[in-house]
Amino acid sequence: GAGVSQSPSNKVTEKGKDVELRCDPISGHTALYWYRQSLGQGLEFLIYFQGNSAPDKSGLPSDRFSAERTGGSVSTLTIQRTQQEDSAVYLCASSLGLAPRLYEQYFGPGTRLTVT
Amino acid sequence: AQTVTQSQPEMSVQEAETVTLSCTYDTSESDYYLFWYKQPPSRQMILVIRQEAYKQQNATENRFSVNFQKAAKSFSLKISDSQLGDAAMYFCAYSGGGADGLTFGKGTHLIIQP
Repeated sequence: GAGVSQSPSNKVTEKGKDVELRCDPISGHTALYWYRQSLGQGLEFLIYFQGNSAPDKSGLPSDRFSAERTGGSVSTLTIQRTQQEDSAVYLCASSLGLAPRLYEQYFGPGTRLTVT
Repeated sequence: AQTVTQSQPEMSVQEAETVTLSCTYDTSESDYYLFWYKQPPSRQMILVIRQEAYKQQNATENRFSVNFQKAAKSFSLKISDSQLGDAAMYFCAYSGGGADGLTFGKGTHLIIQP
């Protein structure tokens, strides 16, 4: 079956603009994770969803970042008023259930965001 | 907070040889899980191997094996009979007992010399 897909693959935006990044998880996967990969910070965990609910949003870098998931499937990560430090690859992963110790996370190919 | 350290930014090995990638971690939890992920240029992270902290036996997956030293908080990856397709970034990752995401190290860039 299809793996995790993310769109767009690459996004170039001007500083101050809003962007939306989309993640389509594997069908039937109830858990969904967002990570950010940047040269300076490496791989950072941002947020996870169980169904449509995100119990802990403390990993989001600032209040300009928000995420939602609808219908227990597609998730959108929105960055408002983008800054140059937001430039990174944003990775999405999904798994059958929560708890990485029990369920393997399957990653998408990521969205490379460049803020000019 | 948990931390994961990979002290080798880059490693190089001849094809068919064996290479070991190092990883250390810091945690106060007793129940946790460790992983090695591979990230080729396509950017897609692929799980290579996983280890449950409560298991004393080192995990093995074909040419990939780990040396898990719980007391030393060390978790190294050994790749035997290296192949050109093994060239990639390798990330060590940690997961505690909760549902949070993975904590990753900075990665090691593995180069395979033909």
